[in-house]
Amino acid sequence: GENVEQHPSTLSVQEGDSAVIKCTYSDSASNYFPWYKQELGKRPQLIIDIRSNVGEKKDQRIAVTLNKTAKHFSLHITETQPEDSAVYFCAASNSNDYKLSFGAGTTVTVRA
Amino acid sequence: GAVVSQHPSWVICKSGTSVKIECRSLDFQATTMFWYRQFPKQSLMLMATSNEGSKATYEQGVEKDKFLINHASLTLSTLTVTSAHPEDSSFYICSVSPGGETQYFGPGTRLLVL
Repeated sequence: GENVEQHPSTLSVQEGDSAVIKCTYSDSASNYFPWYKQELGKRPQLIIDIRSNVGEKKDQRIAVTLNKTAKHFSLHITETQPEDSAVYFCAASNSNDYKLSFGAGTTVTVRA
Repeated sequence: GAVVSQHPSWVICKSGTSVKIECRSLDFQATTMFWYRQFPKQSLMLMATSNEGSKATYEQGVEKDKFLINHASLTLSTLTVTSAHPEDSSFYICSVSPGGETQYFGPGTRLLVL
C-alpha cells in the first residue's frame, strides 16, 4: 500500500516568514495529492490539492509543488500569519480506489 | 466544498455499550463515504470505505464485526462501535466524495469510553 512520509513534524516561524512542509510517497500509481489544515478539535479542511499532470499550483499565499519522478510534493505558505497556526497533513491517493493515505502531520506555529 | 454533518459531536459511554455515529452529506448524493479514526496528536487512519447499497470494505487490522458500517442511502452512512472499550476512545471522522478523488470531511465525533 501507499506510504506517505511528512517532514518536519513541528515548524515554528516568525510572522511574515515562509513555511515549507515536505512529503514523499511510495506508490507510483498515486496521482492526487491534497493538503489539509486541521485546527485543534476541528475537522481537516482541504486547502489545496494537485494532480499528477501538474507540477505546481498556487492559491494566494499557498502553493504546492510536485515532483513525480522523485515522488516528492511540498506545501509552501508565504507571508505567514498567526491564523496559519494549525496541523497540516499531506495525503496521496490513486484513481483506482481514491483511498487517502495521510502523512503524520506538521504542527505549524506562527509567532507574532 | 461539500457540507457534511456528523452526529453526535461527542459521546461518553460505559465500557461494553454500543455507540452509533451518523454521517450525512447535506448538499449532494455521495455514493462513497469514508470512515477515519484519529488518536490524539496522530494522523488520520482510514478504517473503511462505505459504498451505498453494498458492504463496506475494511482496512487491514480493522475488525468488521466491531465497527459496523451501514450506507443505506446516498446521503447517510452510519458507524456503530459495538461493545466499546476504553481503547476505542478516539476522534471518528467521516468524509464524503461527490465522485472522483476529492474528499470533504465531517466535523468528527469524539468518543470517550469509560
